[in-house]
Amino acid sequence: KQEVTQIPAALSVPEGENLVLNCSFTDSAIYNLQWFRQDPGKGLTSLLLIQSSQREQTSGRLNASLDKSSGRSTLYIAASQPGDSATYLCAPPGFGNEKLTFGTGTRLTIIP
Amino acid sequence: NAGVTQTPKFQVLKTGQSMTLQCAQDMNHNSMYWYRQDPGMGLRLIYYSASEGTTDKGEVPNGYNVSRLNKREFSLRLESAAPSQTSVYFCASSEAEVPGQYFGPGTRLTVT
Repeated sequence: KQEVTQIPAALSVPEGENLVLNCSFTDSAIYNLQWFRQDPGKGLTSLLLIQSSQREQTSGRLNASLDKSSGRSTLYIAASQPGDSATYLCAPPGFGNEKLTFGTGTRLTIIP
Repeated sequence: NAGVTQTPKFQVLKTGQSMTLQCAQDMNHNSMYWYRQDPGMGLRLIYYSASEGTTDKGEVPNGYNVSRLNKREFSLRLESAAPSQTSVYFCASSEAEVPGQYFGPGTRLTVT
């Protein structure tokens, strides 16, 4: 059974800093991993999807990396802004390669 | 495109009442999913449907039934609601050939 851990559970940083969110998973036989953002009381917004053939995927100020062999993924946010405040969730597939398993997320607060 | 839509947005039930949560997607996806999100637990898969006419249990199916009415619609039914089913319910869809899941805005359900 896939298990996902996200560290830290919460993070507060001043605006403008670069930061890294960590995700580890137990079953490395995955084809992809998806990172989501969730604002309070809202649904999930997909940020990045990394295929297993890729080591990195970039979108604007976001960069996600995937190391299947060690069961880890990181989400790097450059030049953080108050609008980045949200909970960030990583989700590798669980059983089968479509059904996702979620961590409990990292709640990020950017201090103006 | 509306993406994934869910109704209702909020619902309060008394213990023992029944209700159906509705989900529809307009992306012509084959696969659809129901998750629940509880504080400190992350999102957990309740049921999924890989194609029209098929459904399978996820991690936490007890107390729920689903119907894949057609390719667009996937409903979740609570036959006899219990306080333990108080949660936020998310519907999602995906296409096997194109990795990545798309989520609806969620239904916040309270059972008293």
